[in-house]
Amino acid sequence: DSGVTQTPKHLITATGQRVTLRCSPRSGDLSVYWYQQSLDQGLQFLIQYYNGEERAKGNILERFSAQQFPDLHSELNLSSLELGDSALYFCASSVASGGLGSNEQYFGPGTRLTVT
Amino acid sequence: AQTVTQSQPEMSVQEAETVTLSCTYDTSESNYYLFWYKQPPSRQMILVIRQEAYKQQNATENRFSVNFQKAAKSFSLKISDSQLGDTAMYFCAFTGNQFYFGTGTSLTVIP
Repeated sequence: DSGVTQTPKHLITATGQRVTLRCSPRSGDLSVYWYQQSLDQGLQFLIQYYNGEERAKGNILERFSAQQFPDLHSELNLSSLELGDSALYFCASSVASGGLGSNEQYFGPGTRLTVT
Repeated sequence: AQTVTQSQPEMSVQEAETVTLSCTYDTSESNYYLFWYKQPPSRQMILVIRQEAYKQQNATENRFSVNFQKAAKSFSLKISDSQLGDTAMYFCAFTGNQFYFGTGTSLTVIP
């Protein structure tokens, strides 16, 4: 158990809908990262937040947005969903802010999103 | 552009044998970090080992060790005394201004 929690574990929704994925980092970690892993693919970095502020942005679509709240949990919002958005979405957390790799990231169990 | 390349999509090894997974990366930065993550069938991402680029000494964690060749931008993972529980996807990762992952190597340990 990494200490990072993600809800829900599974999500099935229809095209055009909007969903929210939730992540709680490990106790003491200030950074939260979101990744997308499509079937049999590697991980695509989406976005990073540090202590409530956006710190780095990767290959995140305009239909996707995220935020980190004062209690440090984070939410990833996916809207106007398409079939191609079906994937495993991981959240990870670490102590550090910038210098992404200065501390290792601990991953949550992921949320499996299926768009039908 | 910063990239991570894993040229071996699939590998297999006999139980108790040694296997080496390859990873190369491209960057213009002088200081960075490299990681190997393991993703078993449960899909949980598990950190295996970490290497800081400014350290010449290769990192070691029990049966896992790396061969870090900074000039060649190579970062291979050696698994000694392979166990059935080592069966998983292994991802090499590099940090620059973002966290970059390779496409993974699927390792199967054969009894």
